[in-house]
Amino acid sequence: GIQVEQSPPDLILQEGANSTLRCNFSDSVNNLQWFHQNPWGQLINLFYIPSGTKQNGRLSATTVATERYSLLYISSSQTTDSGVYFCAVPQGGFKTIFGAGTRLFVKA
Amino acid sequence: DGGITQSPKYLFRKEGQNVTLSCEQNLNHDAMYWYRQDPGQGLRLIYYSQIVNDFQKGDIAEGYSVSREKKESFPLTVTSAQKNPTAFYLCASSQGVGNEQFFGPGTRLTVL
Repeated sequence: GIQVEQSPPDLILQEGANSTLRCNFSDSVNNLQWFHQNPWGQLINLFYIPSGTKQNGRLSATTVATERYSLLYISSSQTTDSGVYFCAVPQGGFKTIFGAGTRLFVKA
Repeated sequence: DGGITQSPKYLFRKEGQNVTLSCEQNLNHDAMYWYRQDPGQGLRLIYYSQIVNDFQKGDIAEGYSVSREKKESFPLTVTSAQKNPTAFYLCASSQGVGNEQFFGPGTRLTVL
């Protein structure tokens, strides 16, 4: 089956810093999602991005499907950005494969 | 407001008991899913349902059961056969195959 790898596994930032999170996948995909899991466990949809670039406020994402990776950019990080960021891709039918996540902590 | 609700938020169970976790959505989505998350880990698929009265096993279905009698509802029963049920359980829904998934707030199950 398809493999999804996220890097880095852990990231500590000073408030105001920028960061890039990466998601590599082992096979071609027709969609990709980025989620933020907050400290209470809620999974929040960030981007649904099969290809190209999307922006939402301080966050943006780029997926290069032909090279099998996606990047999530966080600019001017805030303490509320802390949590775990997951990427997820489909594997045939309804099955979705999640990466192991990047754990982000933003210090005030 | 459209969304997905899960109840209860926290659940404690004695060994040997079955418990049922509720998941309801008012997004008019056809597909619904149950995932399990262990501490520090990603999500693993337990069961999914494409339409009413139909559901399929995911990667870790042993010890779990589901039903899909209504489009809006997809309850998960954790049976006594599940060897290590303590985990965070997340329900999701999507319009159809390959569409964007949306998640409920989750239920934390602890076996005492």
